[in-house]
Amino acid sequence: SQQGEEDPQALSIQEGENATMNCSYKTSINNLQWYRQNSGRGLVHLILIRSNEREKHSGRLRVTLDTSKKSSSLLITASRAADTASYFCATDISGYNKLIFGAGTRLAVHP
Amino acid sequence: DTAVSQTPKYLVTQMGNDKSIKCEQNLGHDTMYWYKQDSKKFLKIMFSYNNKELIINETVPNRFSPKSPDKAHLNLHINSLELGDSAVYFCASTTIDNSGNTIYFGEGSWLTVV
Repeated sequence: SQQGEEDPQALSIQEGENATMNCSYKTSINNLQWYRQNSGRGLVHLILIRSNEREKHSGRLRVTLDTSKKSSSLLITASRAADTASYFCATDISGYNKLIFGAGTRLAVHP
Repeated sequence: DTAVSQTPKYLVTQMGNDKSIKCEQNLGHDTMYWYKQDSKKFLKIMFSYNNKELIINETVPNRFSPKSPDKAHLNLHINSLELGDSAVYFCASTTIDNSGNTIYFGEGSWLTVV
């Protein structure tokens, strides 16, 4: 079974709305990261949040981490059509030096 | 200049053939990875090399053989290709330190086995 699982699997919203994606994981982590993948492209790193942090911001992105619930959320505010992509959370598990990815959330932002 | 570059981007080949995908990073990183993304977009780590040494091998069939001639290159050779090997293969790199393991990905190599 996967370490990280995102929900929803797919999200469709209008431009200007906020988009929230959630990620749950199973084991202790060093940090959790969010990546974006545009169709037919590689993954782009968005934001990293360490296990001792609870919230982090980067532009229109806000990430929260709740280690007691083993969950994280990614909020994109004032979404744009260009935000249409798949979003993946990835967990850096203590001592393993590798990222384990969830299955992703496909976000579609309609003009 | 592309930070992590991999070639070829597209590869169509017949079952049973042997093929290679090359990867190079110019970020000065000490760790490189191969990930496989299947048709459901699920990303799974295959291998990781740190300073040319294999540190992660995720139960990948031995038809897959990574080779790291130096820490800036990690190539993937696949023998006796099977239909199930069709996927997108991503090379990635990072520097492992206490600040976090941010990984930089290449654009992917689309492998189709027919």
